[in-house]
Amino acid sequence: KAGVTQTPRYLIKTRGQQVTLSCSPISGHRSVSWYQQTPGQGLQFLFEYFSETQRNKGNFPGRFSGRQFSNSRSEMNVSTLELGDSALYLCASSPTGLNEKLFFGSGTQLSVL
Amino acid sequence: DQQVKQNSPSLSVQEGRISILNCDYTNSMFDYFLWYKKYPAEGPTFLISISSIKDKNEDGRFTVFLNKSAKHLSLHIVPSQPGDSAVYFCAARRNNNDMRFGAGTRLTVKP
Repeated sequence: KAGVTQTPRYLIKTRGQQVTLSCSPISGHRSVSWYQQTPGQGLQFLFEYFSETQRNKGNFPGRFSGRQFSNSRSEMNVSTLELGDSALYLCASSPTGLNEKLFFGSGTQLSVL
Repeated sequence: DQQVKQNSPSLSVQEGRISILNCDYTNSMFDYFLWYKKYPAEGPTFLISISSIKDKNEDGRFTVFLNKSAKHLSLHIVPSQPGDSAVYFCAARRNNNDMRFGAGTRLTVKP
């Protein structure tokens, strides 16, 4: 069974631009979560999608948005990029999102110059 | 708000000895706790979990202890091996709410 796939692996953008990151969950998994990892801050929760609906949302500004498609694939978009958005963005999937472990992708390393 | 806290950014132990990683949480509604291990340039991988109805769960060299009254959990690795060197994240969640992670502890196991 293929794992969680995130593309692209690396991304370099400049301030003010927007970016879209993609995540393909494990086959059969309907819950997809997004996390931001920065040094010293651990993994900060962005949002979770289940059956194309945003079920939970973290404390990030509206510049961060996401969506999920009918095949459970998910995209995350960040508009008007800021230097502080430089981070590793991780996607995780699980069958239902209910008290079960998450399976993570390798992440997309975003650098904002 | 940091609902899950790992107060030790790093830990160094000798190969063969015990590694103890600690985690504290503030939300008493959490009922499921997990530990993840992360190597550089990879996503976190699941290590072990424990439900709030238990106080101990063991899997090979890894044991997780939960003290609900103290809102504290710990991960014991015995014996520690150089391959265990990684960043360890503690996580907690309740029902269908999001999973919250600590800031991580970097474990170094010296040969």
